[in-house]
Amino acid sequence: DTGVSQNPRHKITKRGQNVTFRCDPISEHNRLYWYRQTLGQGPEFLTYFQNEAQLEKSRLLSDRFSAERPKGSFSTLEIQRTEQGDSAMYLCASYDWRGGGEQFFGPGTRLTVL
Amino acid sequence: GENVEQHPSTLSVQEGDSAVIKCTYSDSASNYFPWYKQELGKRPQLIIDIRSNVGEKKDQRIAVTLNKTAKHFSLHITETQPEDSAVYFCAARNYNQGGKLIFGQGTELSVKP
Repeated sequence: DTGVSQNPRHKITKRGQNVTFRCDPISEHNRLYWYRQTLGQGPEFLTYFQNEAQLEKSRLLSDRFSAERPKGSFSTLEIQRTEQGDSAMYLCASYDWRGGGEQFFGPGTRLTVL
Repeated sequence: GENVEQHPSTLSVQEGDSAVIKCTYSDSASNYFPWYKQELGKRPQLIIDIRSNVGEKKDQRIAVTLNKTAKHFSLHITETQPEDSAVYFCAARNYNQGGKLIFGQGTELSVKP
């Protein structure tokens, strides 16, 4: 499968726990984006990387959130001290910015915080 | 900040009818406008896109129009089929602002057989 993959697909956790999600983009894509989607809403931008550099973070990304893309390939998104309001679908997307075209989305990780 | 408004939020049509979804954007420097289809529990998938130097684009039963002056773009689906039922999202991107997509709120399209 040469598409964007995300793991895990589902995560249920208790409030206050830490969680980490992984995204594997399409291999030749240099840009990687994280979005959050709540029920009935469009995806909202969280942050993005060009290769290993994190170039922008949304104000939605509180201090409890951190993202990395250490070798410019896969990326991780960690949420510390989860809150019920963090429950959402976390989507990853990648694209080749030189082509300026389509962003390809992964299947998402659905987080439920109890 | 950047914003994309999408209407209507729900749309119900009879099979074979046309469906139109409209979006307006706030960032006049936006230069790329994709439309995504998202079925329940699945990832958003691109169905058509248009760049700011083009006014209209068509792909079989799907077309998109762009009015840069009004900062308005629309999705047109003709001869709708039950399998077109899904949530549709418009988005806008300013290539010079990191390439992030700003999404509309979504339109739930229901095509009744």
